[in-house]
Amino acid sequence: ETGVTQSPTHLIKTRGQQVTLRCSSQSGHNTVSWYQQALGQGPQFIFQYYREEENGRGNFPPRFSGLQFPNYSSELNVNALELDDSALYLCASSLQQEGTDTQYFGPGTRLTVL
Amino acid sequence: GEDVEQSLFLSVREGDSSVINCTYTDSSSTYLYWYKQEPGAGLQLLTYIFSNMDMKQDQRLTVLLNKKDKHLSLRIADTQTGDSAIYFCAETSGTYKYIFGTGTRLKVLA
Repeated sequence: ETGVTQSPTHLIKTRGQQVTLRCSSQSGHNTVSWYQQALGQGPQFIFQYYREEENGRGNFPPRFSGLQFPNYSSELNVNALELDDSALYLCASSLQQEGTDTQYFGPGTRLTVL
Repeated sequence: GEDVEQSLFLSVREGDSSVINCTYTDSSSTYLYWYKQEPGAGLQLLTYIFSNMDMKQDQRLTVLLNKKDKHLSLRIADTQTGDSAIYFCAETSGTYKYIFGTGTRLKVLA
C-alpha cells in the first residue's frame, strides 16, 4: 500500500509569484485535505476535495485554490505569494464514509517566500 | 468557537511514563486524534478515540477521554528516546476539517 506523497519537498519563491504543490493520495482513498503549518504552530485547515469538488474551506483567501483529479491526486495553488505564506504545507488523504474519515498525512512541502 | 489547547513542553526520563494533555471546546466533537511529528516530517497518526469511549489502549499508548470536561490525554508507557517529537491532538465533528492544537514538544532524557 502506497502512502501519501507530496512534491516538491522544498520550494523557494519570491513575493508576488505563484506556486503549485502536488499530492498523491494513499491507495484506496478518495478525499484530499490541505493544511498550512506555520513554524511552531499546529496545522490549519485550508480546504478539502472530494469527487473533484471543494468539499469545505477554512479561513484562507481566494488566492489559495485547488484541484482534484480523477485519480484522486490533488494540487494546491497559491497566487500572489506573501511572506506570511512561508510554511509547511501538508496534504492528507482519507476515505470518506459514514462517521469520520481518518486522515493520513504526507511528508509536506516546505515553502519559503522571500 | 472551535479551539484546542495543549501545554507546550514536557520533559521525562527514559523509561518513565509521559502524559500529554489536551482540552477542546467543540461539544459536537465525535472523534479525537493524536498525531506525532518528528523534525522536518509530516504527521504520523498514533491513535484516535470515538467520543462515546472513555479509554482506548494500543500497546504503549493509552488515551483517556473526559467528555464532560472536554479533556483528552495521551499516556506513553516506558517512554524511549525515539518518542521525542511534537505531539498534536486534533478534533473533528465528523465534517471535513480537523482542528489541531499547537502541539506539545516531548523531550526524553537518557
